[in-house]
Amino acid sequence: DQQVKQNSPSLSVQEGRISILNCDYTNSMFDYFLWYKKYPAEGPTFLISISSIKDKNEDGRFTVFLNKSAKHLSLHIVPSQPGDSAVYFCAAGASGNTPLVFGKGTRLSVIA
Amino acid sequence: DGGITQSPKYLFRKEGQNVTLSCEQNLNHDAMYWYRQDPGQGLRLIYYSQIVNDFQKGDIAEGYSVSREKKESFPLTVTSAQKNPTAFYLCASRKNRNLNTEAFFGQGTRLTVV
Repeated sequence: DQQVKQNSPSLSVQEGRISILNCDYTNSMFDYFLWYKKYPAEGPTFLISISSIKDKNEDGRFTVFLNKSAKHLSLHIVPSQPGDSAVYFCAAGASGNTPLVFGKGTRLSVIA
Repeated sequence: DGGITQSPKYLFRKEGQNVTLSCEQNLNHDAMYWYRQDPGQGLRLIYYSQIVNDFQKGDIAEGYSVSREKKESFPLTVTSAQKNPTAFYLCASRKNRNLNTEAFFGQGTRLTVV
């Protein structure tokens, strides 16, 4: 049973517009959420994270929003650039000694 | 520079052979992890270790084995019992198992059974 779900396998956005990637989770114990970016044949790189005590975290063009009541988080990229084209993974963890759980990823294509 | 090094980048294995994937980190991280990526499957946890000389099975441990004799090293052996070993394997580490911190990943090993 998937604890972290990314229901959109792919997303296409025009350069300069906003990209919104969504993620849902089922485990109420999760209190730490992350987004990773991955290029083919490379390891994922960390983008941004958010703790459950916050509902928003911003880092440059990237903003993550957390809605705990809906068990939903989203990553906003503004403005989108062609170099943002990659697979984005949502991940979640619980305090203590549990490994991160990853979603299946969303492939973002930013079209020039 | 600190980081995680996986080797080799590409590995070919004949059916029935065991192979070992290397993962070394010099970040002084406590916890290390092995994930497997298949198309459309995301990252699935194989094994993890939160301290030297201790490790736990993840969601898809069957056909794999690991060891954690040193803090810096967490090798993964893909045994002949693994029915479908062709995949992209990713090693990761985290600073402290008890804190909410990000995981850092290596560049991955592409294993192909021929």
